[in-house]
Amino acid sequence: QKEVEQNSGPLSVPEGAIASLNCTYSDRGSQSFFWYRQYSGKSPELIMFIYSNGDKEDGRFTAQLNKASQYVSLLIRDSQPSDSATYLCAVNLGNQGGKLIFGQGTELSVKP
Amino acid sequence: GAVVSQHPSRVICKSGTSVKIECRSLDFQATTMFWYRQFPKKSLMLMATSNEGSKATYEQGVEKDKFLINHASLTLSTLTVTSAHPEDSSFYICSAWAGTSEYEQYFGPGTRLTVT
Repeated sequence: QKEVEQNSGPLSVPEGAIASLNCTYSDRGSQSFFWYRQYSGKSPELIMFIYSNGDKEDGRFTAQLNKASQYVSLLIRDSQPSDSATYLCAVNLGNQGGKLIFGQGTELSVKP
Repeated sequence: GAVVSQHPSRVICKSGTSVKIECRSLDFQATTMFWYRQFPKKSLMLMATSNEGSKATYEQGVEKDKFLINHASLTLSTLTVTSAHPEDSSFYICSAWAGTSEYEQYFGPGTRLTVT
C-alpha cells in the first residue's frame, strides 16, 4: 500500500467551478499535511499546509483534514485556467524532521 | 518566501561522465536539504536527506556511490551523478529546510539532466 495516495486524474472542471482534490495517507502518526502546486517543467510551490482536524481557508483555497479517516483534501473555488497544474499532496510523519512523503499528484485542467 | 537556487538549470552530458548539481539557500541557513528526482508525469521521489557536516541518508534503492551528496555548509549542498547513463536522465529537485517548523521547506527550481 502506498503511503500517500491521490487520484492521478486528469480532473477537468469548467472555469468558475469548484475543484476538489483528495488524498489519503496510511500512517496514523502523520503530523502535518501539505498541498503543493506544480506547473509542467517547474518545481513544486507550497499552496497550503494543515495540522489540525477541520478546515483551513486561504483565499480561494480550502484544505480539509480528517485524521480519523486519514484523509486530506483541497478545494479550489472559482477555478481559473491558471489553476491548471498538477497538485501534490505531501505528508510529514512527524518523527523524521522535515522529510515529506509525496503522493503521485492529481492533474487538474480548468477549461475556459 | 525564502529563495533556493539550483545550478545548472539544464545540463546535457555524455554517458559515462559525471555531473555536479548545486543547491543553495540564498537567504537562510538550511539545517537539512533534500534531493528528489522526478520522471515525466510522476511524483517526486526522495533520493536522500542531507544534513550539514554529516553523511547523507539515502532512501532505499538509491545507490549512494552513484549519487554522491555533499553538504559542506548551511547554505550549500551538491549532488554528483557519477558515471551517468541515459536512465539517469531526469528532473532533479532540491529543497532546503531551516529546521524550525515543518512548513519552512523551500524547493529549488530544479535541474533537467539529459544523458546522451
